[in-house]
Amino acid sequence: DADVTQTPRNRITKTGKRIMLECSQTKGHDRMYWYRQDPGLGLQLIYYSFDVKDINKGEISDGYSVSRQAQAKFSLSLESAIPNQTALYFCATRGTAGNEQFFGPGTRLTVL
Amino acid sequence: GENVEQHPSTLSVQEGDSAVIKCTYSDSASNYFPWYKQELGKRPQLIIDIRSNVGEKKDQRIAVTLNKTAKHFSLHITETQPEDSAVYFCAAPLTGNQFYFGTGTSLTVIP
Repeated sequence: DADVTQTPRNRITKTGKRIMLECSQTKGHDRMYWYRQDPGLGLQLIYYSFDVKDINKGEISDGYSVSRQAQAKFSLSLESAIPNQTALYFCATRGTAGNEQFFGPGTRLTVL
Repeated sequence: GENVEQHPSTLSVQEGDSAVIKCTYSDSASNYFPWYKQELGKRPQLIIDIRSNVGEKKDQRIAVTLNKTAKHFSLHITETQPEDSAVYFCAAPLTGNQFYFGTGTSLTVIP
């Protein structure tokens, strides 16, 4: 089945470290999104991309960067992780024709 | 996000009763309103959506109503069951391709 996958699923890192979260999809969708989920705050949009090399900032892009080198892959980087970036991170995709977003399984990131 | 407000944040109902969750949005150009269900430890999944050209949509025990004038939409779950227990999120689009999500409603159905 076509799906959205994320690696790693869990990561513990230290303050100041660089970390990359990967997202891959086999749905053939053009649009990809990165969200952050914190308790009581719902899903906040970090970055989104409509096509290869297209990058757009979301609500909370400070401290994050992304790369869309291929249609199927959208990676999120934290150049210098800080403790308040501890959260659950979701990648999502959306096709051109439809409105539904399909989420990956999530990456739980802890910054000590 | 601040462009979508969702209430209540927590909701407990007895099995068999109805549950209603409400969201308001700020962008009058929004034309598509999805609801997502997130079970504990799992990813959000779409359960129902509505476009701005209709006022109500039903799918078995789930319905969504939309009031464009007041800029709010609601999720209605009837005959609730324990498996309906989850966090529910509404969302509304901004400028066509960004989605802002509500802060979520944690629904508990008490057997």
